[in-house]
Amino acid sequence: GQNIDQPTEMTATEGAIVQINCTYQTSGFNGLFWYQQHAGEAPTFLSYNVLDGLEEKGRFSSFLSRSKGYSYLLLKELQMKDSASYLCAVRRAGNMLTFGGGTRLMVKP
Amino acid sequence: DSGVTQTPKHLITATGQRVTLRCSPRSGDLSVYWYQQSLDQGLQFLIQYYNGEERAKGNILERFSAQQFPDLHSELNLSSLELGDSALYFCASSGANSPLHFGNGTRLTVT
Repeated sequence: GQNIDQPTEMTATEGAIVQINCTYQTSGFNGLFWYQQHAGEAPTFLSYNVLDGLEEKGRFSSFLSRSKGYSYLLLKELQMKDSASYLCAVRRAGNMLTFGGGTRLMVKP
Repeated sequence: DSGVTQTPKHLITATGQRVTLRCSPRSGDLSVYWYQQSLDQGLQFLIQYYNGEERAKGNILERFSAQQFPDLHSELNLSSLELGDSALYFCASSGANSPLHFGNGTRLTVT
């Protein structure tokens, strides 16, 4: 089976940096994905890590440590529009994704 | 726009009824996935198809079934509906080892 844990809610200030953590336990690990989901809308792909290290994509970066079963999503220069849920998902063979419960981020002025 | 099309956008029906949700994947994607998202819950994997064949099954109820047709569109059938089946149902598609791209979902309300 799989266990994916991430904080339920976080609050941060506009312009700041926030780090959203995700820990997982799984067999047959084949990559970790981060998605953004605004309420009632479709999840949209943000980033993907399959090897250890940091992947940077504009204001968003994602880090993976396979030995620790740990990933984080780093959001810089927060904007109000970044208020959303952030979903951590683990992929196993067959390209099937299992999602964590999501972290609801609230950005305040 | 992800390129994944789901219809209908909204569906309101009564308990005990049967509904069909439809999904057209992105052009070229052979894999289709169905997920259920209840209010304030995470995405629960239901089932995956690859090029017409069932590839993986999650916690899909026996009252639910799905199929993928030769033109690669997929349908999710939900029968004997219960109040607890009210949720957003997302379809996603992908190519080999590529990220999943999600449709805008069908919001099902069972009354």
